[in-house]
Amino acid sequence: EAQVTQNPRYLITVTGKKLTVTCSQNMNHEYMSWYRQDPGLGLRQIYYSMNVEVTDKGDVPEGYKVSRKEKRNFPLILESPSPNQTSLYFCASSYGTSGKETQYFGPGTRLLVL
Amino acid sequence: SQQGEEDPQALSIQEGENATMNCSYKTSINNLQWYRQNSGRGLVHLILIRSNEREKHSGRLRVTLDTSKKSSSLLITASRAADTASYFCATDEDYGQNFVFGPGTRLSVLP
Repeated sequence: EAQVTQNPRYLITVTGKKLTVTCSQNMNHEYMSWYRQDPGLGLRQIYYSMNVEVTDKGDVPEGYKVSRKEKRNFPLILESPSPNQTSLYFCASSYGTSGKETQYFGPGTRLLVL
Repeated sequence: SQQGEEDPQALSIQEGENATMNCSYKTSINNLQWYRQNSGRGLVHLILIRSNEREKHSGRLRVTLDTSKKSSSLLITASRAADTASYFCATDEDYGQNFVFGPGTRLSVLP
């Protein structure tokens, strides 16, 4: 089944404790992206990647890191999480490198930073 | 940067009625997409309309695009309780690689 998977789905952590949220897609998509969703603010793009080893900042990249060493995986790293990073996070992938085509979303990761 | 803006923010209708949501954007685009999100879940793609298209249909969905007004509308006909969800428009900035979502319209379809 074609899908985007994220792990973990729920995570409670404390300020400053490094964490990684994994994202994997099995559709051989070039483009992958991370979003955060907050009430009243909609979805905001954090980082995106047009292909392996190519990443770029979205609208809200501060406090986040990403890597794209393999086509299928695009982990989101929070080196020193803070409470303002408490949010619902979505990974998405898309055919092509432009990100302008249909995006397929993972189920989301709900993060609480205490 | 916020590209798409949906209107209204919330909409409540009876089952069987039509629901219309609007989206406005600021810059030129290649395409505009509509997504649905059931509470707390991932977004599901509904329809993509390209900048050179004016109208597109998919089942009970009808999307229009007016590039001169930088606006789009999503019409759901004969709504069902299962259509209750948030609906987002998303646009790609013509000159960039960002993919930008609006804040969404929350639709409630009452049985």
